[in-house]
Amino acid sequence: QVQLVQSGAEVKKPGASVKVSCKASGYTFTSYDINWVRQATGQGLEWMGWMNPNSGNTGYAQRFQGRVTFTTNTSISIAQMELSSLISEDTAVYYCARADGHNSVDYWGQGTLVTVSS
Amino acid sequence: QSALTQEASVSGTVGQKVTLSCIGNNNNIGRYAVGWYQQISHGALKTVMFGNSLPSGIPDRFSGSKSGTTASLTISGLQPEDEADYYCSTWDYSLSARVFGGGTKVTVL
Repeated sequence: QVQLVQSGAEVKKPGASVKVSCKASGYTFTSYDINWVRQATGQGLEWMGWMNPNSGNTGYAQRFQGRVTFTTNTSISIAQMELSSLISEDTAVYYCARADGHNSVDYWGQGTLVTVSS
Repeated sequence: QSALTQEASVSGTVGQKVTLSCIGNNNNIGRYAVGWYQQISHGALKTVMFGNSLPSGIPDRFSGSKSGTTASLTISGLQPEDEADYYCSTWDYSLSARVFGGGTKVTVL
């Protein structure tokens, strides 16, 4: 069965960077995009962007441009999201999610809590 | 301000039919299939409708539809375990971005 398993919770200081991993299994990793979505406490879902593991193409939401980087390692079916210059407002649960191009997301990771605090 | 508009809350009694709506425009819902996602007590996200398809393991009391720029999720025969937040999402052609609704809180009375 399709599974997306994310790395554990992180606590970072303002100005630092964080890298969240997403290990995919149960399907051909290069056949689907990985999207990244975050959710601050008590808030809705915010899309951060996508990456195609096959082509390496990426698309970033405008508000994260220049601060976020997506990478994949196709040999071990892992996607990673790195967010830099962290501020307290970046405190949120970060999700990876699978999608077939512009089609809807069908599978989600369990989420990774990132806390930014001095 | 979310690109897709959802009711803030919907409530119903056990066994009742409830319908959630998701209003967009011709750049998003008018062009692409819509997904619906359930989140119980701010926990993990679960896909309950994927385009016109019901994912494996999701009860068939959940159904989805779309008319023009409005998508709907219907729960026929509301159950206590359906109490959750529900989000709609699709791709937006003009924004080149995936967009979400603000979420609807479903309460089972």
